[in-house]
Amino acid sequence: EDQVTQSPEALRLQEGESSSLNCSYTVSGLRGLFWYRQDPGKGPEFLFTLYSAGEEKEKERLKATLTKKESFLHITAPKPEDSATYLCAVREGSGNTPLVFGKGTRLSVIA
Amino acid sequence: GAGVSQSPSNKVTEKGKDVELRCDPISGHTALYWYRQSLGQGLEFLIYFQGNSAPDKSGLPSDRFSAERTGGSVSTLTIQRTQQEDSAVYLCASSFTGRSSYNEQFFGPGTRLTVL
Repeated sequence: EDQVTQSPEALRLQEGESSSLNCSYTVSGLRGLFWYRQDPGKGPEFLFTLYSAGEEKEKERLKATLTKKESFLHITAPKPEDSATYLCAVREGSGNTPLVFGKGTRLSVIA
Repeated sequence: GAGVSQSPSNKVTEKGKDVELRCDPISGHTALYWYRQSLGQGLEFLIYFQGNSAPDKSGLPSDRFSAERTGGSVSTLTIQRTQQEDSAVYLCASSFTGRSSYNEQFFGPGTRLTVL
């Protein structure tokens, strides 16, 4: 069973059409949920870390929220340059233990 | 400042040959990670270093894979007798060791390995 599940796998939006990406997780002792953006041919770029249920963080058109079972990445009035794969990852252990990643949501924003 | 760098950016090799992939982490980052990303798959953890020691090697898929880190900095991932299923993008990340659990990992651009 996957510990981190992202949905949808792919999402196509018109420019300006707001939507949300979902990341659900099953780890028991969450020690951080991380969102990354990955452009084709590049490594993941860090966006946000969320630590506890109820927490929210914003950056430009992106807002990440966290509950006890899932996280949402809300994209408001997206632009074509927001097109990328968005990855969610969780850390279960303490210290610098490795992250467990979902398979990502591939977002396409059409002008 | 300089980010995580990896070399080579692309590597094409023949089945059965050995390859070495290099990662140069962000200066001052004591933790270093190797992940593998195959087409259509998520990032798969391979090995993690804290300083020069590897507390977690659980993700290495077989004994053909090994890694080392020297001087608490550069790391090399070696794949011996490469197989076609080793074809993937190999990503390196580093993080600062500070407050427990909440240290973000910063990724390099990856090495795309193709085994013919």
